[in-house]
Amino acid sequence: DAGITQSPRHKVTETGTPVTLRCHQTENHRYMYWYRQDPGHGLRLIHYSYGVKDTDKGEVSDGYSVSRSKTEDFLLTLESATSSQTSVYFCAISGSAGGRETQYFGPGTRLLVL
Amino acid sequence: AQSVAQPEDQVNVAEGNPLTVKCTYSVSGNPYLFWYVQYPNRGLQFLLKYITGDNLVKGSYGFEAEFNKSQTSFHLKKPSALVSDSALYFCAVRERNNQGGKLIFGQGTELSVKP
Repeated sequence: DAGITQSPRHKVTETGTPVTLRCHQTENHRYMYWYRQDPGHGLRLIHYSYGVKDTDKGEVSDGYSVSRSKTEDFLLTLESATSSQTSVYFCAISGSAGGRETQYFGPGTRLLVL
Repeated sequence: AQSVAQPEDQVNVAEGNPLTVKCTYSVSGNPYLFWYVQYPNRGLQFLLKYITGDNLVKGSYGFEAEFNKSQTSFHLKKPSALVSDSALYFCAVRERNNQGGKLIFGQGTELSVKP
């Protein structure tokens, strides 16, 4: 999985609790992304980062925040988890935003919000 | 609005037969186009991409895809399917001038190859 790890790999939590997912890369890539995967929707972008402390919103950012204090780590936080955030979350990285740079994906985190 | 459509939720093919997984898109300009494959409980694996040049792109595991600008399509093909090709396939596009390299994904097509 291209030097990308995600933790935890599985998590069960209750509605209203905060949750933080971690993405760690060893490729020193500039760009990092958080997606969620839901049946019938493919993957949808939540947030992305184009450098340390530089982040921007994706198409489904409501209820999520991110932080990137080091090149290798990109954190996704659900401030107060809801059942609609039950999903599989994927982190991706790329070396640049140019078309010749491909996004490579981590193994995913399966989150269940009860 | 930008969008990607994979019109078939599932494609069934007999082993040894050719396979096609369809993808059409609605994105301004000349986008970059990608195919990814996902095996059960795994992340997405990159298969191939179209950036520019020859409309027929060859990728991993014997897959290829044909870019058709007039039909705004990027169908994935393989001449002879294997049982091990059974997986979930995603088409993705991004605008050529997109800041941040954001991808837009289709909803996925489940490919089932039977012996």
